[in-house]
Amino acid sequence: EDQVTQSPEALRLQEGESSSLNCSYTVSGLRGLFWYRQDPGKGPEFLFTLYSAGEEKEKERLKATLTKKESFLHITAPKPEDSATYLCAAGKAAGNKLTFGGGTRVLVKP
Amino acid sequence: DVKVTQSSRYLVKRTGEKVFLECVQDMDHENMFWYRQDPGLGLRLIYFSYDVKMKEKGDIPEGYSVSREKKERFSLILESASTNQTSMYLCASSLGMVVYGYTFGSGTRLTVV
Repeated sequence: EDQVTQSPEALRLQEGESSSLNCSYTVSGLRGLFWYRQDPGKGPEFLFTLYSAGEEKEKERLKATLTKKESFLHITAPKPEDSATYLCAAGKAAGNKLTFGGGTRVLVKP
Repeated sequence: DVKVTQSSRYLVKRTGEKVFLECVQDMDHENMFWYRQDPGLGLRLIYFSYDVKMKEKGDIPEGYSVSREKKERFSLILESASTNQTSMYLCASSLGMVVYGYTFGSGTRLTVV
């Protein structure tokens, strides 16, 4: 069965304190690994898609990386506005649905 | 940019009422999805549709039905609302291939009293 697991469930950071979020997946025939940001009371907002192991993508203080078993979302020198829940999801070759992880709630304190 | 619009941000309904949640996308996407999101349970797929008048059950379809009469519109129906259906409901759409990912609406917070 396809599974996506995110850790930790919650992360409290001081402003400027860099950290990484983990997304482990067991999905046969991965076609894409997606990262979303979700603010409280809102829908998830697309951040990145990674397609193959070794790929990296960056956006401001966020960098996503992908291996054959997991993906990391690195937050460098976070600011309070980076506080959100970060979701990852895996899509595979067969089918048109994504499998989501449970999310990591990030709180960045000033 | 693709836009996915959910008709209501907040809804309060009474137990036993029939509830309609509407979702419209403006980029000709084939696939549309309904999820509910609850603390500690993450996103759970209720129903999805890959074409007009086509639908498939997701992981938790009980108590729900859907309608897709036009490509751009996907409706979620709670036949007889119950308090355990109080949740955040998220609609999403995507192009045919999963590699394009989803675009989500802003969500509807439904409270059933």
